[in-house]
Amino acid sequence: GNSVTQMEGPVTLSEEAFLTINCTYTATGYPSLFWYVQYPGEGLQLLLKATKADDKGSNKGFEATYRKETTSFHLEKGSVQVSDSAVYFCALSKTGNQFYFGTGTSLTVIP
Amino acid sequence: DSGVTQTPKHLITATGQRVTLRCSPRSGDLSVYWYQQSLDQGLQFLIQYYNGEERAKGNILERFSAQQFPDLHSELNLSSLELGDSALYFCASSLLAEADTQYFGPGTRLTVL
Repeated sequence: GNSVTQMEGPVTLSEEAFLTINCTYTATGYPSLFWYVQYPGEGLQLLLKATKADDKGSNKGFEATYRKETTSFHLEKGSVQVSDSAVYFCALSKTGNQFYFGTGTSLTVIP
Repeated sequence: DSGVTQTPKHLITATGQRVTLRCSPRSGDLSVYWYQQSLDQGLQFLIQYYNGEERAKGNILERFSAQQFPDLHSELNLSSLELGDSALYFCASSLLAEADTQYFGPGTRLTVL
C-alpha cells in the first residue's frame, strides 16, 4: 500500500542551525510528494511539492528533492528561524484525491 | 488564511451523542476532503466529495457520514460517539476532483467525555 514514514520528533534547534527532516515513502508508480506545515492552532499549509523524480520543491528557504532511487523526500533548510517552529508533515498522493500523511515532526527553534 | 472555514472551532459532547461539523470550501473549489487528526493515528483521510458526489473514501467509520450540498459546503456527521473519536477534524478543499494541492481549514476540535 501507500504510506509515508517521517522521522520522529520533537526536534529542537538553535536559530540559524541547519534543518533536516527525513521522509521516506512506499508507493507503486510515481506519486506526487508534499511537505505541509502546521503552525500552532492552525490548519495545514502546503509548503512545497514535487511531482516527478529528481524534481526539487522549494519555498521560504525550505527545499526537498524527490529521490526515486531511495524513495525519499527529505526536507532541508540552511538556517532556521524562530518563526519556523511548527509541525511538518510529509505526504504523498498518487491519484490526486487520496493523500497519505506521515505522523508529523514537531520543530522548535530557540533563539 | 486558506479561505476554508470550519465551524464550530471546538465541540465538547458525551459518549453516544451525535454531532455535525461544517465546512465551507474556498470560493470556486468543487472538492472537499475530510481528515481526522489524532495523537495516536496521525492525520487520516476520511472521505472526499466532488461537486456533490462522493469521490473517494478512506478510513471512515460506518458511524460517520458526510455530504456536500448544492452550495458546495459540506457536513461531517459523527454518531454514537466514543471516547476514541476525540480528535481534530480538518476539512480541505481543491478546485478539481484530482488536484495536487489542497487548502486546509483551521479544524474543529472534538472532545468526547
